[in-house]
Amino acid sequence: AQSVTQLGSHVSVSEGALVLLRCNYSSSVPPYLFWYVQYPNQGLQLLLKYTSAATLVKGINGFEAEFKKSETSFHLTKPSAHMSDAAEYFCAVSGANTGNQFYFGTGTSLTVIP
Amino acid sequence: NAGVTQTPKFRVLKTGQSMTLLCAQDMNHEYMYWYRQDPGMGLRLIHYSVGEGTTAKGEVPDGYNVSRLKKQNFLLGLESAAPSQTSVYFCASRGARATSYEQYFGPGTRLTVT
Repeated sequence: AQSVTQLGSHVSVSEGALVLLRCNYSSSVPPYLFWYVQYPNQGLQLLLKYTSAATLVKGINGFEAEFKKSETSFHLTKPSAHMSDAAEYFCAVSGANTGNQFYFGTGTSLTVIP
Repeated sequence: NAGVTQTPKFRVLKTGQSMTLLCAQDMNHEYMYWYRQDPGMGLRLIHYSVGEGTTAKGEVPDGYNVSRLKKQNFLLGLESAAPSQTSVYFCASRGARATSYEQYFGPGTRLTVT
């Protein structure tokens, strides 16, 4: 079975500080992993995805994530937070044994303090 | 290219009323999904479709019905609305059959049942 755990439902960082949002997955087969961002009153937008190529994945808006199989993690980072990064972030997993479904984490709300 | 659109954007229903939410995509995607988003629970899959004329149940299908009569449209129906169905509903679509392909989301429909 597939599942995703996002540690920390709320994260606050100062503007200019490192952003680290945590995602751990459980999967019996190699997973495909995704990070989505949701701005207030909008739909979800893809930030980046891991599909078994490079383990360090770069996405939009300066975000990146590293796939670590030994830790079953896919944490999202950004070196320097910007006010515009304030949003809800979701990690999701799919794979060969999920059928046609994605499994989403419960989300992490990022607040950026000026 | 509008992507994924949802109609309506907002709706208020009284308990027991019925309604249909419309999702349309212009990307020729095979797969379409309906999710509901509730605070602290992330996105939960209601129903999905892998092609025209086919539908399948997701994690929380009770109280909802769906139809996919045309490839580009996916309808979500509530036959007898209940307050527990107050939520934000998102439609998503995905192309190809590879599970590495990301889902594209609509802007959401905010439904309140009183």
